[in-house]
Amino acid sequence: QKEVEQDPGPLSVPEGAIVSLNCTYSNSAFQYFMWYRQYSRKGPELLMYTYSSGNKEDGRFTAQVDKSSKYISLFIRDSQPSDSATYLCAFSKTQGGSEKLVFGKGTKLTVNP
Amino acid sequence: EPEVTQTPSHQVTQMGQEVILRCVPISNHLYFYWYRQILGQKVEFLVSFYNNEISEKSEIFDDQFSVERPDGSNFTLKIRSTKLEDSAMYFCASRGTTVQYFGAGTRLSVL
Repeated sequence: QKEVEQDPGPLSVPEGAIVSLNCTYSNSAFQYFMWYRQYSRKGPELLMYTYSSGNKEDGRFTAQVDKSSKYISLFIRDSQPSDSATYLCAFSKTQGGSEKLVFGKGTKLTVNP
Repeated sequence: EPEVTQTPSHQVTQMGQEVILRCVPISNHLYFYWYRQILGQKVEFLVSFYNNEISEKSEIFDDQFSVERPDGSNFTLKIRSTKLEDSAMYFCASRGTTVQYFGAGTRLSVL
């Protein structure tokens, strides 16, 4: 079983749509749950992070974590063409005092005007 | 807003040559990382660095790779003898307390 699974898409939606992006994971030891946005040939840009089950909202973005199901989601309300990017889920893994991120493959989103 | 800065943005080199990729982490951060992303693939962890030593390294980070913090601001990744398969985007990241912030990356092209 893969440590992180993320549907690569691509996902194409009209402007104003609600977008749902999802990842599943298998490692119960993951501590932080993050969503990064990556534009083509650019670095990952942190959108949101959380460490507990439940919802966290920031403007048009809502991050949802369900630790019992090992499932995280990112919802984008009123999507805009500027939201077109690849969205990466990432999980913080700590081992022996050292921390690293484990990424999903990314979901490519296109929002059409 | 503080950011992680990477130079150069694009590096072209011949196979077998040494390259040094440079990073300036966010100034009050103490944890530093290198990741790479081969075109079309996921971002992969290479190495973490804290208190002037490597904390953890992946299987990818073999003897051809090394990292250094030569002064109080720079963090470098050296590849001693580049191979074609080293062609990728290389991202530097730094962390203060919780989350990692990434630079824009260096695109390494090995010919």
